[in-house]
Parts: sequence; structure tokens; C-alpha cells
Amino acid sequence: GQNIDQPTEMTATEGAIVQINCTYQTSGFNGLFWYQQHAGEAPTFLSYNVLDGLEEKGRFSSFLSRSKGYSYLLLKELQMKDSASYLCAVMDSNYQLIWGAGTKLIIKP
Amino acid sequence: IAGITQAPTSQILAAGRRMTLRCTQDMRHNAMYWYRQDLGLGLRLIHYSNTAGTTGKGEVPDGYSVSRANTDDFPLTLASAVPSQTSVYFCASSDGTGGTGELFFGEGSRLTVL
Repeated sequence: GQNIDQPTEMTATEGAIVQINCTYQTSGFNGLFWYQQHAGEAPTFLSYNVLDGLEEKGRFSSFLSRSKGYSYLLLKELQMKDSASYLCAVMDSNYQLIWGAGTKLIIKP
Repeated sequence: IAGITQAPTSQILAAGRRMTLRCTQDMRHNAMYWYRQDLGLGLRLIHYSNTAGTTGKGEVPDGYSVSRANTDDFPLTLASAVPSQTSVYFCASSDGTGGTGELFFGEGSRLTVL
């Protein structure tokens, strides 16, 4: 079956760096997405990786290793507003998105 | 403001009742989707539409139906609601089919079936 694994919850300190991991096993691969979802709100797009390597976008970076079925989202200079759930999703060979359950990130002052 | 509008935002419904969740987008996106989100689970696809006039079943289609009469609207109907359909429902759209376009989500419809 298809599976996306990510930690359920993480805690970090304001101003610090946090890495959220995502491992996947899917039928084919057509890209990996990261979305941010604040409590009670809709998910919003953060990043897309289809080739191996690191994609940097401001304070957020996303890394992909297709051979390892692994990605991570790196958040730098954490701010209180970064408290949210972070959803990892993989597009399979049928171009369907398979979603992880999300990682709830708690930022402490 | 361009985007996706869902209605209602919240609804309590008696089991056995029929309910339609509305979704309208003004971005002229071809593809639209309905997901449900339950605690501890990833978003699960209910139905999708790659273009107006076509629909397809997702991972959890049973008990739900959709239609896509035009580009902008993609309503989701629960013919006879059951308590297991209590969830938060998100409508989404993208500008590509089978491509790499990001999804744009509506604000969600929280449905409680008693």
C-alpha cells in the first residue's frame, strides 16, 4: 500500500531551527509537496520538490531524496506564527496526491 | 478576491438527511477536488473533476456524489448522511490535470452528523 509517515507533533523554541521529516512509499513518484495549515484554516502551499536536492524559499527550505523516499522541511528563525500543522503529500504515478497525517509544530517563546 | 468559496462553513445535520456542500472558484481552474480531513488522518480524496463535465472517484467516494456542470462550481452531496461522515470537508482546485500545479483550498465546511 501507499504510505506517508511524518511525526505527529514537534516542539521548538522561537528563533531556533526545526526540521520536519517525511518518508514515503508510493506507487510511482511525480513530486512531493509541503503545505502549512493553521488550526481551523485551509492548507496553503509551501513547496514542491520533484528532483533531488534542496529548494530554499526564504526561511523555509525543502529537501528531497527520491532514492531514500525521504524529504524534510526546514524552518529557520522560527516565529510564533509558524505554529501550525505541516502536511507532506506525494503525487503518485496516477497523479493522485497521497497525504501524510501532518506534523503539529508547537513554538514556545 | 480570487479564490475558492465554500458554503456552509459549519452545519449540524440529523442522520438520514440529504446535504449539499457548495464550492465555487473564480480562478478558472480545470481541476477541482473534494477532501475530508479527520483527526489523525491525512486528507482523503472523495471525488475529483479534471474538467467541466467529468468526475471521478477518489479514495473514499461511498455515500457521496458530485457534479461538474461548469468550470466554477463543484457541489458535493451526501444523499443520506451518517455519523461517520462527520468531518471537515475541503474543496480545492488546481490549474493542471496530472501536472504539478499546487492546490488552492477553500476554508472548509465543518459537518456534524448526529
